[in-house]
Amino acid sequence: NAGVTQTPKFQVLKTGQSMTLQCAQDMNHNSMYWYRQDPGMGLRLIYYSASEGTTDKGEVPNGYNVSRLNKREFSLRLESAAPSQTSVYFCASKIRGMNTEAFFGQGTRLTVV
Amino acid sequence: DQQVKQNSPSLSVQEGRISILNCDYTNSMFDYFLWYKKYPAEGPTFLISISSIKDKNEDGRFTVFLNKSAKHLSLHIVPSQPGDSAVYFCAASVFSGSARQLTFGSGTQLTVLP
Repeated sequence: NAGVTQTPKFQVLKTGQSMTLQCAQDMNHNSMYWYRQDPGMGLRLIYYSASEGTTDKGEVPNGYNVSRLNKREFSLRLESAAPSQTSVYFCASKIRGMNTEAFFGQGTRLTVV
Repeated sequence: DQQVKQNSPSLSVQEGRISILNCDYTNSMFDYFLWYKKYPAEGPTFLISISSIKDKNEDGRFTVFLNKSAKHLSLHIVPSQPGDSAVYFCAASVFSGSARQLTFGSGTQLTVLP
């Protein structure tokens, strides 16, 4: 079992460029999440998808869009990258609604210059 | 306004001794709490959790304590081992919107000295 897989692992963008971060899980989870981690700030929720076909904003959604392509895949898009979006991005998934843990991918380190 | 706070950015302990990591929260609606461990260049991995209806949960060398009246939880690691050196995140869960959401603290870097 691969768990949660994120691609790419590293990316450097120029200001104004766009890109999509990919995430796929093979645990048959309904709920999926995108977080960003910045020094001294822990992980902050960007967007989440409770189930296939639904997406909702989290704490820091500005500058991002998401697509829940199917039950397995949840992508995060930066339409016009800014230096403030330099961060490490984590995708996670869990069983919907239950008090269980979320499983995380290995992260994507994004630098916007 | 941070709803989950870890006030100690770092902690160093000697191998074999107890490590105590602390976490405070402000939202009384949180009903499930988790600890995650994170090594460099890896994603967070789940360590241990506790429901708000309990005050203690133990799993091997790891014990989590919850004091609801103080809105405080702690993670005890006994005995500490060099392999425990990592960043530890406290997280709190609540059902909000259409799904359960996790709110994370800023993390504590634990260093276990051999």
